[in-house]
Amino acid sequence: EAQVTQNPRYLITVTGKKLTVTCSQNMNHEYMSWYRQDPGLGLRQIYYSMNVEVTDKGDVPEGYKVSRKEKRNFPLILESPSPNQTSLYFCASSIRPSTDTQYFGPGTRLTVL
Amino acid sequence: AQTVTQSQPEMSVQEAETVTLSCTYDTSESDYYLFWYKQPPSRQMILVIRQEAYKQQNATENRFSVNFQKAAKSFSLKISDSQLGDAAMYFCAYRASGNTPLVFGKGTRLSVIA
Repeated sequence: EAQVTQNPRYLITVTGKKLTVTCSQNMNHEYMSWYRQDPGLGLRQIYYSMNVEVTDKGDVPEGYKVSRKEKRNFPLILESPSPNQTSLYFCASSIRPSTDTQYFGPGTRLTVL
Repeated sequence: AQTVTQSQPEMSVQEAETVTLSCTYDTSESDYYLFWYKQPPSRQMILVIRQEAYKQQNATENRFSVNFQKAAKSFSLKISDSQLGDAAMYFCAYRASGNTPLVFGKGTRLSVIA
């Protein structure tokens, strides 16, 4: 089954404790992206990747890191999480960035205390 | 910068009736793509319908159709024969061609009344 998976689905952590949210897709998509969703703000792009070893900042990259060592994986790293990073996070992928539909993962609910 | 505006934070519709969700966008591009995504209580983002700006014909997917007015920069979603399962948050999104981000509106919460 073609899909985008994220882990964990739920995470409660404390300020400053490094964490990684994994994202994997099995569709051989070149383009992958991370969004955060906050009430009243919709979805905002954090980082995106056009292909392996190519990553770029989105609209709200501060406090986040990503890597793209393999085509299928695009982890989101929070080196020192803060409460303002409490949010719902989505990973998405598509064949090409602009012309194709993005397939979204199920979301990760992160709470930083 | 491109922006997407959904002016209706909440809408409701009677089961089996038709409802239209509004979306406007701001861009100076001529080549772009527009999307409607549905987010049910499960929180997953599900593509409902997609429209290429160069196509004059409005996209249709079963009970879902759009009214794309390029000159007015308007992209509304019509849901016909509404069903209880249509209750969700709906997001309008825009993307220009090339290496550009997907820009979302703030969403419209749709309730379906039995």
